[in-house]
Amino acid sequence: KQEVTQIPAALSVPEGENLVLNCSFTDSAIYNLQWFRQDPGKGLTSLLLIQSSQREQTSGRLNASLDKSSGRSTLYIAASQPGDSATYLCAVIALIFGKGTTLSVSS
Amino acid sequence: DGGITQSPKYLFRKEGQNVTLSCEQNLNHDAMYWYRQDPGQGLRLIYYSQIVNDFQKGDIAEGYSVSREKKESFPLTVTSAQKNPTAFYLCACSNPGTRPDTQYFGPGTRLTVL
Repeated sequence: KQEVTQIPAALSVPEGENLVLNCSFTDSAIYNLQWFRQDPGKGLTSLLLIQSSQREQTSGRLNASLDKSSGRSTLYIAASQPGDSATYLCAVIALIFGKGTTLSVSS
Repeated sequence: DGGITQSPKYLFRKEGQNVTLSCEQNLNHDAMYWYRQDPGQGLRLIYYSQIVNDFQKGDIAEGYSVSREKKESFPLTVTSAQKNPTAFYLCACSNPGTRPDTQYFGPGTRLTVL
C-alpha cells in the first residue's frame, strides 16, 4: 500500500530564507505527483504537478523535483515571504496524502 | 467561470441524523473524489467516481454513501452509521487520461455533529 510521508511536520523560517519541503513515497510506480497549498479552513490550491516522466516543474519562486527511483519529491521555495505561510501537502496518484508540513515565515 | 463548488460551507447535524454534502463541477471532468480531513491526519479518501453511475470505495468508506447520476454532481451522504463524522470534507475532480491530470479542489464543507 502506498504511503506518503512529509517531514518535518512544522517548519519556521525567517523571511527571505530559501527552504526545502520534503515528500517521500513508498511505491515508485506513480502516475504523477502534485504539490498543494492549504490555508487555514480553506480548500486546496494546486501549486505544481509533476508527471511521472518529468523530473521537475517550476512556477515563480517554487520548484518541485521528482525522483521516482528513490521515492522522493522536494518543493523548493526561494526567498520566502510571510504570505507563503500555509500548510503544504504533496500527493501521489491515487492521491494518497502526507500529513502536511505547516510552514511559518516570520517577518 | 469553470470550477468546483461545495455547499454548504458549514453544516451542523444532530447525532443520529443523515446529512448530504453537495459537490458540483462545471469543468466537464470525468473523475470526482471525496476526502475527509482531520487535524494532524492529512486527507483520507472516502469515495471516488471515474464515470457516471459508477463509484468505488476509498480507504474510509464506512458510514458514507455517494451517488453519481450526473457527470457534474457527486453528493456525499454522511449516515448515522459514521461514528465520528465531525471533520472538514473536501471534494475534488480531475480528468484522468489528460495531461496534466491536475486535481481541482472545492472550498470544503465543515461538518460538526452536536
